[in-house]
Amino acid sequence: DTGVSQDPRHKITKRGQNVTFRCDPISEHNRLYWYRQTLGQGPEFLTYFQNEAQLEKSRLLSDRFSAERPKGSFSTLEIQRTEQGDSAMYLCASSLANRDTEAFFGQGTRLTVV
Amino acid sequence: AQKVTQAQTEISVVEKEDVTLDCVYETRDTTYYLFWYKQPPSGELVFLIRRNSFDEQNEISGRYSWNFQKSTSSFNFTITASQVVDSAVYFCAGYNFNKFYFGSGTKLNVKP
Repeated sequence: DTGVSQDPRHKITKRGQNVTFRCDPISEHNRLYWYRQTLGQGPEFLTYFQNEAQLEKSRLLSDRFSAERPKGSFSTLEIQRTEQGDSAMYLCASSLANRDTEAFFGQGTRLTVV
Repeated sequence: AQKVTQAQTEISVVEKEDVTLDCVYETRDTTYYLFWYKQPPSGELVFLIRRNSFDEQNEISGRYSWNFQKSTSSFNFTITASQVVDSAVYFCAGYNFNKFYFGSGTKLNVKP
């Protein structure tokens, strides 16, 4: 499978714990995006990378959230001290920078904070 | 600022009926792209169609067709002869400045 891969698909955690999600983009794609989708809503932009540089962060990305793409390939999204409001689907997408409207989305990681 | 409105929360149709999903995209930008995505229960967003703001020509692709009217900011999507497999949540989205702006989605139920 050469699509965008996200791991894990589901995560249940207790409030206050830290969690980390991984996204593997399509191999030649230099752009990688993170979106968050709460129940009954459309995805909302969190952040994006071009290669290893994080070029933009949404105000939704509080200090408890950090995203990295150390070698310009896979990316991780960490949430520290999780809160119930963090429960959502976290979607990753990738594209080529010169074809940025042709983004491919992964199946997402569904986080439940109990 | 970008605003995407999908007023229809949920639609139910019987198989083989035609169904139109409504979308209004409001922006002050003159250049942008519009999309429709499908999200089945598995969660992945599946790309359906893309339109740029300069092209108001309506098109048909298989059972899908779309109607973009810049004057009313509407970008409607029609499925002809719906099938049970079309059941999913459909999102309208705009794209500008390196990010997608999604509507809240319309859940389509196609009953046999």
